Amino acid sequence: DTEVTQTPKHLVMGMTNKKSLKCEQHMGHRAMYWYKQKAKKPPELMFVYSYEKLSINESVPSRFSPECPNSSLLNLHLHALQPEDSALYLCASSQEGPHSGNTIYFGEGSWLTVV
Amino acid sequence: AQSVTQLGSHVSVSEGALVLLRCNYSSSVPPYLFWYVQYPNQGLQLLLKYTTGATLVKGINGFEAEFKKSETSFHLTKPSAHMSDAAEYFCAVSAIGSNYKLTFGKGTLLTVNP
Repeated sequence: DTEVTQTPKHLVMGMTNKKSLKCEQHMGHRAMYWYKQKAKKPPELMFVYSYEKLSINESVPSRFSPECPNSSLLNLHLHALQPEDSALYLCASSQEGPHSGNTIYFGEGSWLTVV
Repeated sequence: AQSVTQLGSHVSVSEGALVLLRCNYSSSVPPYLFWYVQYPNQGLQLLLKYTTGATLVKGINGFEAEFKKSETSFHLTKPSAHMSDAAEYFCAVSAIGSNYKLTFGKGTLLTVNP
């Protein structure tokens, strides 16, 4: 089973709200990722967790806060977002990284609209 | 560092025609190359990948790609297009030392005409 599950599929939030995106995988993968994708663009890496520790933060604004409660779960906490943060947020996982030739498996994404 | 160039942001073919999506890469070390497909309102799905070994790689849905080191290319082909192939296709590259990073091309939108 090569499945990464994301919830919710759609989220509309105001600029003063606090919300969270959730992601789960049961493939035993040790790396988990958050990507942001704008329309007609490739995904942009935001964060990487490796063995439950934050490995990469691509200079993401602090209004995005990742959390990895355990090896199967990944959250993205959202606070005080801006309208330009509206995008598709993709969670992904891999056994090791693509730098070892491993495949990154993506979830279906969470569509976020900030109003 | 690695980079990817996908030639043609939009490719249009007739149903039953050959599909050819072009990808050229740059890498100072042996690359790992990936093709992903993204259907409307969905996440990315791996079509195929090249790591080592055989340079002609077969993937899902009848797609294949050939790694050509001398041309730094990894073009995606399918002999006969189907309406269901209409989607966005991303070529991506990684390599030892890239530290979990996958560098994507800008994508090619494939439309299939009846």
